[in-house]
Amino acid sequence: AQSVTQLDSHVSVSEGTPVLLRCNYSSSYSPSLFWYVQHPNKGLQLLLKYTSAATLVKGINGFEAEFKKSETSFHLTKPSAHMSDAAEYFCVVIGSGSARQLTFGSGTQLTVLP
Amino acid sequence: EAGVAQSPRYKIIEKRQSVAFWCNPISGHATLYWYQQILGQGPKLLIQFQNNGVVDDSQLPKDRFSAERLKGVDSTLKIQPAKLEDSAVYLCASSIGQYYGYTFGSGTRLTVV
Repeated sequence: AQSVTQLDSHVSVSEGTPVLLRCNYSSSYSPSLFWYVQHPNKGLQLLLKYTSAATLVKGINGFEAEFKKSETSFHLTKPSAHMSDAAEYFCVVIGSGSARQLTFGSGTQLTVLP
Repeated sequence: EAGVAQSPRYKIIEKRQSVAFWCNPISGHATLYWYQQILGQGPKLLIQFQNNGVVDDSQLPKDRFSAERLKGVDSTLKIQPAKLEDSAVYLCASSIGQYYGYTFGSGTRLTVV
């Protein structure tokens, strides 16, 4: 079975500084991986996805993630944090076979300080 | 295109009462999912439909939860009777197919008191 582990439950950064949200995956095959963001009282929004094409994936709002098979990691980064980036971020892996279900990590709460 | 619609947005009920949530997926999306998100946790899959058939309901507590997808379009998730631990946000998502993206609704926040 596939799974993801988000290594930090909370990350706090100052506005204008880099963001790093860490995610490790476990999968017996080449996985499809996603990052979703959830703002308070809002639905889940897809930030970016990796589906075995380029290992460096660019998403919306300046976020990007790099798939590293040797490290089984898919960390999310952004060069400069905005106040509007404060939210909950979820690393997600998709199952194989006909039941293409999303399996979510436990989430990382990002706080951006002025 | 219109997004995934869910109603109600909020619901407060007493334990042992019943409740139902409704989801209208994006038009043409064959696959529909219901997820449960407990506060402080990631969403957990409850049930997956492909058109009007169930693909996976292995994590659905079938003694109290039920779901249906009439005519392969709208879906309803029911809890009867509700327990305190059912307090959560219930998210509906749909997809046009297994290799495409998923779109989530805004969810229904259930509070059981």
